[in-house]
Amino acid sequence: GEDVEQSLFLSVREGDSSVINCTYTDSSSTYLYWYKQEPGAGLQLLTYIFSNMDMKQDQRLTVLLNKKDKHLSLRIADTQTGDSAIYFCAERSGYSTLTFGKGTMLLVSP
Amino acid sequence: EAGVVQSPRYKIIEKKQPVAFWCNPISGHNTLYWYRQNLGQGPELLIRYENEEAVDDSQLPKDRFSAERLKGVDSTLKIQPAELGDSAVYLCASSRTTGGWDEQFFGPGTRLTVL
Repeated sequence: GEDVEQSLFLSVREGDSSVINCTYTDSSSTYLYWYKQEPGAGLQLLTYIFSNMDMKQDQRLTVLLNKKDKHLSLRIADTQTGDSAIYFCAERSGYSTLTFGKGTMLLVSP
Repeated sequence: EAGVVQSPRYKIIEKKQPVAFWCNPISGHNTLYWYRQNLGQGPELLIRYENEEAVDDSQLPKDRFSAERLKGVDSTLKIQPAELGDSAVYLCASSRTTGGWDEQFFGPGTRLTVL
């Protein structure tokens, strides 16, 4: 079945860039997503990329997709303390079914 | 626009007891999802509704879990009887249309603790 892997933890200092990485196994993935989850809250969609794209930029967020290696990354520029949260990578290949990774906890220190 | 509403936010029960969770999706959203998120894991789909119809319940443990979405709006997820391993956060999500790739909007979840 599909599998999505992420590193579990990332710590950065405020103002630095953060890069969160994700690998997936399903070569038929059509959309790849990044969600943010703050404590006690549901998941919030940050951005997504279609599988025929290499890069997508949205303000401080840059998504890079290497389809050959099945590798997805999320770069957050000028990371702020409010960016501290758990970030989930997810892929969609089937009809409306999302497969999530285990999440990467991002800790931003002042 | 109000988001996805779930209640209760927290529930603590003893094993073998029944429990029910309620979800009110965003107004006008036809597709509703129930996910389970175990500690340290990503959400896993339990069941997906398109209007009143459960179109994907392949991951729902049907011996103890049941769900309904009467009138195609609110939904209830029930566990009877609950087991220790059911402790998790139960997330409800909704999306606007059926048969599409619309964004899923998530509620805050119900955190269930089974003692």
